[in-house]
Amino acid sequence: DTGVSQNPRHKITKRGQNVTFRCDPISEHNRLYWYRQTLGQGPEFLTYFQNEAQLEKSRLLSDRFSAERPKGSFSTLEIQRTEQGDSAMYLCASSLDGGFYGYTFGSGTRLTVV
Amino acid sequence: SQELEQSPQSLIVQEGKNLTINCTSSKTLYGLYWYKQKYGEGLIFLMMLQKGGEEKSHEKITAKLDEKKQQSSLHITASQPSHAGIYLCGADGNTDKLIFGTGTRLQVFP
Repeated sequence: DTGVSQNPRHKITKRGQNVTFRCDPISEHNRLYWYRQTLGQGPEFLTYFQNEAQLEKSRLLSDRFSAERPKGSFSTLEIQRTEQGDSAMYLCASSLDGGFYGYTFGSGTRLTVV
Repeated sequence: SQELEQSPQSLIVQEGKNLTINCTSSKTLYGLYWYKQKYGEGLIFLMMLQKGGEEKSHEKITAKLDEKKQQSSLHITASQPSHAGIYLCGADGNTDKLIFGTGTRLQVFP
């Protein structure tokens, strides 16, 4: 297993366009998390899944954001009608039944909205 | 909701010096995690602490969780340029997700 994989690593998009990011967790992990990190700040929780069920969404996750994990494996995070304020690093993490065995993070997708 | 405060926010040390980073929680810590992040990259897991008074070490990095489980410290002995980066503490309390402090940026100069 190569850990948590995120694609793409970098994305530059024009304001108003839609973007989609993908996260492939560690295969045996049933939980998957999305975070957003802006410069100089710690990661902020966006949402998480247990298997295919989305169990919690942060108030940070506006209506323009949607996340899916259709088969309980990989997940996608889509941002519609991007705004400059969406520019950030988007991090994905996975775990087995919460944090007892730790949380493993991917390398992130850096989004720049111009 | 639980909040984590890290201090200092930024640290510049000379190679070979020791340093300590602190993480203070507004609530009891049930699980405290330390991560390191290089600029523009993902988080690398360092250590996890769960019991009051627990101490763990890996190479030249030692982390402790105090008895009352509301504060953790990360100590680096004989710092090297490879230690440079952002150190983040995270806690999952009795929730199902990690929340993070704002991070401590460490620079080590020769």
